[in-house]
Amino acid sequence: NAGVTQTPKFRVLKTGQSMTLLCAQDMNHEYMYWYRQDPGMGLRLIHYSVGEGTTAKGEVPDGYNVSRLKKQNFLLGLESAAPSQTSVYFCASSPRRFLGEVNEQFFGPGTRLTVL
Amino acid sequence: KQEVTQIPAALSVPEGENLVLNCSFTDSAIYNLQWFRQDPGKGLTSLLLIQSSQREQTSGRLNASLDKSSGRSTLYIAASQPGDSATYLCAAGTSGGGADGLTFGKGTHLIIQP
Repeated sequence: NAGVTQTPKFRVLKTGQSMTLLCAQDMNHEYMYWYRQDPGMGLRLIHYSVGEGTTAKGEVPDGYNVSRLKKQNFLLGLESAAPSQTSVYFCASSPRRFLGEVNEQFFGPGTRLTVL
Repeated sequence: KQEVTQIPAALSVPEGENLVLNCSFTDSAIYNLQWFRQDPGKGLTSLLLIQSSQREQTSGRLNASLDKSSGRSTLYIAASQPGDSATYLCAAGTSGGGADGLTFGKGTHLIIQP
C-alpha cells in the first residue's frame, strides 16, 4: 500500500497562473481532506469530502476549488494563484466516522508551493 | 469554533529525561484527539489517537491522555532520545455544522540534546 500520495512535490507559479494538486489514496477511505500549513499558523483545513462526488468548505476555502470524481482521488485547484497561497499543502484521508470506530487521519508527504 | 493551543512552543532537554507536552482545546465536543510528529520539511506521522470515550493510549515510550471535561490532553515521552527531536502536533477532531476535520495546534518544537 502506498497510502496517501501527492503530486507534485514542489511547484513554483507566477501570480495569476493556475494549477491542480492531485491527492490519491489506496486505502478505500471515504473521507479526504486538504490542509495548508503556514509558519506560525499551524495546519488549516481548506476543503474536505465525505464521499465520491461530494465536497465541502473548511476553514480557509477562498481561492481554491476541489473535485472528488473518483473515490480514491481528491483534486485541489488554484484558478489564479496569489502570493498569499504560498504554503505547504497536505492531503489526508480517513475511513468513514461511525460511532465507536477509529477514524484516524493519514497524511500525504505534502506539496511545497511557491507563488511569485 | 474549536481552538487548540500547545504549550510550550519550544522545549530543549537533555537526553534521557522524561517530558510532557501539553495540548488544550476549547470545545469539549470532540470525537477524537490525535498526536502527530513532523520532522523538518516532512509530512505528518501519526503517533497516537485517543477516541472521545477513552482516557489514554500508549505506544512504546509514548503515552497520551485525554480529559475532555477540562479540555486537555498530554503527551508523555519517557526516556527521551535525540531521535525524538521533532515538532509535535496535537489535533482535535470536531464535527459541527456539517464540517468534519482536524483542528491543529501550532505545535511544540522539541530538541533532545545528546
